[in-house]
Amino acid sequence: DAGITQSPRHKVTETGTPVTLRCHQTENHRYMYWYRQDPGHGLRLIHYSYGVKDTDKGEVSDGYSVSRSKTEDFLLTLESATSSQTSVYFCAISEGGLANRGQYFGPGTRLTVT
Amino acid sequence: AQTVTQSQPEMSVQEAETVTLSCTYDTSESDYYLFWYKQPPSRQMILVIRQEAYKQQNATENRFSVNFQKAAKSFSLKISDSQLGDAAMYFCAYRSGNAGGTSYGKLTFGQGTILTVHP
Repeated sequence: DAGITQSPRHKVTETGTPVTLRCHQTENHRYMYWYRQDPGHGLRLIHYSYGVKDTDKGEVSDGYSVSRSKTEDFLLTLESATSSQTSVYFCAISEGGLANRGQYFGPGTRLTVT
Repeated sequence: AQTVTQSQPEMSVQEAETVTLSCTYDTSESDYYLFWYKQPPSRQMILVIRQEAYKQQNATENRFSVNFQKAAKSFSLKISDSQLGDAAMYFCAYRSGNAGGTSYGKLTFGQGTILTVHP
């Protein structure tokens, strides 16, 4: 199994508070991704990174920001959490380049915004 | 933009029998990859099988095989000899094969199909 951890695994927070989720990998993969999973929508890409300090938006990036200061860590921040951001969040990594092995996922973080 | 559609929200199968999960996609690209992921109740996303669009031969991984119809943009997953451990949510996913720029590696997922296996 790919070495990907996410923290915290569960979190309950109140509307309007900032929240940061952490993804840590030990594979030294170049590409990292944050997805959210909601019923009826599958997984949707929030942000992704193609290198240290190199990030870009996905299809559902509003209300989220990311940072990647080291190859192994990719942080997702909700600046001011809203109830619509209640979801399960997955981090994923990919070798990129010519690799076609797809992405490997972390265990997920269940976030509840009350 | 690419889209992926799984039209079967739920499917069921008897243990030891065969089931096929459907997936269609829309793209204007000629080079891409397709994947099936399994998500059991543990929530962990597990890569089941992958298919390169340039390969005509359908991918097979033990009891899992795909029927890749490029012209029809169809990518179905067949599970043979179903086992209780196959019960999960299954996601079809698309990835561009374009190695240029910074878009490489992003996945577009379908909505998922819940598979129930009856003993």
